Amino acid sequence: DTGVSQDPRHKITKRGQNVTFRCDPISEHNRLYWYRQTLGQGPEFLTYFQNEAQLEKSRLLSDRFSAERPKGSFSTLEIQRTEQGDSAMYLCASSLIAGGPTDTQYFGPGTRLTVL
Amino acid sequence: AQSVSQHNHHVILSEAASLELGCNYSYGGTVNLFWYVQYPGQHLQLLLKYFSGDPLVKGIKGFEAEFIKSKFSFNLRKPSVQWSDTAEYFCAVILSGGSYIPTFGRGTSLIVHP
Repeated sequence: DTGVSQDPRHKITKRGQNVTFRCDPISEHNRLYWYRQTLGQGPEFLTYFQNEAQLEKSRLLSDRFSAERPKGSFSTLEIQRTEQGDSAMYLCASSLIAGGPTDTQYFGPGTRLTVL
Repeated sequence: AQSVSQHNHHVILSEAASLELGCNYSYGGTVNLFWYVQYPGQHLQLLLKYFSGDPLVKGIKGFEAEFIKSKFSFNLRKPSVQWSDTAEYFCAVILSGGSYIPTFGRGTSLIVHP
């Protein structure tokens, strides 16, 4: 168990460009979450997957954002036509839901996005 | 919608001082409660959690938290802090029986002077 990994760790892009981030969860975990964290704030939920199904999306997730988890393992988060307001730390977390209320989420190191 | 309030945004202590960080939530139903910690340059990690049973929960590194249902609170405590406790601390709440999506507070930055 190597924990949750995210790639890249840092991304600098120009406004209007598309970016894609990858998250590799802990291998046996069936849930995968994406969060956004800005300076001085806690993580804000964006979306989550249970296996390959995307079950919920926050209203924070505009049409420019899309996430996939095609085989129920790794996930990608794409932001199209980036805006300066998209600059943030994007966090991924995974957990194992086994039918009870014992969800503990394990977080990755995050991808820090800077939009110039 | 549920919300989580962490009243202390910045706390500065000397080593060996006692710590209490406040956390209040707005939802009146059954909740699961968490404290996460983020050390400088590291990712968020779980400090402790409450699901049911004894409202006094003990976590790693000497931390504990007490769930007081009547006050909608889940305050984090440590009797004697160390320099290595310097970190950002986040309280989070999950509604029991929901979709297990946590709501986080905005965090408390703790600096411990040696």
